Amino acid sequence: IAGITQAPTSQILAAGRRMTLRCTQDMRHNAMYWYRQDLGLGLRLIHYSNTAGTTGKGEVPDGYSVSRANTDDFPLTLASAVPSQTSVYFCASTETSGGNNEQFFGPGTRLTVL
Amino acid sequence: GQNIDQPTEMTATEGAIVQINCTYQTSGFNGLFWYQQHAGEAPTFLSYNVLDGLEEKGRFSSFLSRSKGYSYLLLKELQMKDSASYLCAAMDSNYQLIWGAGTKLIIKP
Repeated sequence: IAGITQAPTSQILAAGRRMTLRCTQDMRHNAMYWYRQDLGLGLRLIHYSNTAGTTGKGEVPDGYSVSRANTDDFPLTLASAVPSQTSVYFCASTETSGGNNEQFFGPGTRLTVL
Repeated sequence: GQNIDQPTEMTATEGAIVQINCTYQTSGFNGLFWYQQHAGEAPTFLSYNVLDGLEEKGRFSSFLSRSKGYSYLLLKELQMKDSASYLCAAMDSNYQLIWGAGTKLIIKP
């Protein structure tokens, strides 16, 4: 089934632990994004990648890292989780060559850091 | 700075029409998006406007005025399933989306 998958669906994590959120798309989109969504706030961009092998920082990158070794995968790592990283995390992708740059979203990962 | 403003919550009646407004300020502009997000789910694309005017797609229409930094989403013949949050997002000069906090639409029978 074409689209974006994320894993895990949800996770409870102790503060200080390392965690990697996985994101895979099969649409061969060049650009991928990680957002966090918190109550009362808009989606905030954490990191992005315009093409395999390149990454960039978004609005709220501190405490997070990403890699883009290939077109399909874009994992997000929390090196040492803190309670303020409790949020819903969405991965998205788009094809930026032509078209309207519509972003397609994965189902999200609900992360709780205690 | 970059900013998107939209109402926090709106209430409407099944079968009626509702207009959700959005104003934006961005560094450069490459289009205005509307997304729908049901509770606990991912956002899904509704519309994209880059030129001034109205784009109609079934029961949903979206309008853009670039000179005023203003857009609205118009939903007609409201159905209970339209109860959701509606997210306005503007694409800046770096082709990044700047998101509003969303408008929660409550539909009453």
